Amino acid sequence: EAGVAQSPRYKIIEKRQSVAFWCNPISGHATLYWYQQILGQGPKLLIQFQNNGVVDDSQLPKDRFSAERLKGVDSTLKIQPAKLEDSAVYLCASSHNAGNSLQPQHFGDGTRLSIL
Amino acid sequence: DQQVKQNSPSLSVQEGRISILNCDYTNSMFDYFLWYKKYPAEGPTFLISISSIKDKNEDGRFTVFLNKSAKHLSLHIVPSQPGDSAVYFCAATSDNYGQNFVFGPGTRLSVLP
Repeated sequence: EAGVAQSPRYKIIEKRQSVAFWCNPISGHATLYWYQQILGQGPKLLIQFQNNGVVDDSQLPKDRFSAERLKGVDSTLKIQPAKLEDSAVYLCASSHNAGNSLQPQHFGDGTRLSIL
Repeated sequence: DQQVKQNSPSLSVQEGRISILNCDYTNSMFDYFLWYKKYPAEGPTFLISISSIKDKNEDGRFTVFLNKSAKHLSLHIVPSQPGDSAVYFCAATSDNYGQNFVFGPGTRLSVLP
């Protein structure tokens, strides 16, 4: 089975610019997550989708971050405008069914964002 | 407030010996725990899980132990192999969290040949 696909792998922008990341989950996975992983820390959940609906976005900085999953498959995460503290790896993950807490998440390889 | 803690940032073990990675949590509502392994420039990969109705789960060389009263779990790798060198993350959740897993900061394991 194909894994979670993310692009781009790397992105370098200046502060106050905007950036977008794309994620294609594993086929058939209803639940999609975006995580932010700052160097030396564990992944922190930004937003969780179930199909095309938002389940949890309590840790998403909504003044600058937005995410969508319009057709319940692919998703994009946008930052506008970027700040220096947004430098991190942005990980996308998917899982089979949010109703079953025993389902592990499958992660993509992430997008490494550097803000200059 | 760090709900999942991995107090050892790094650990070095000789090949063939046992590796023990520890994880502590503060939220008594957590009832499902996972370990992920991460190589550089790759996403985390699921390794093993345990639910709170068990105190041990085994999968090949990997065993996870859960001590609910101490809010502590550990991952044992026996025997350790150089390919096990990676960062290991502990993650926890509960039915109240849906699939919202809280991750620890990770422990970097180095297995020396």
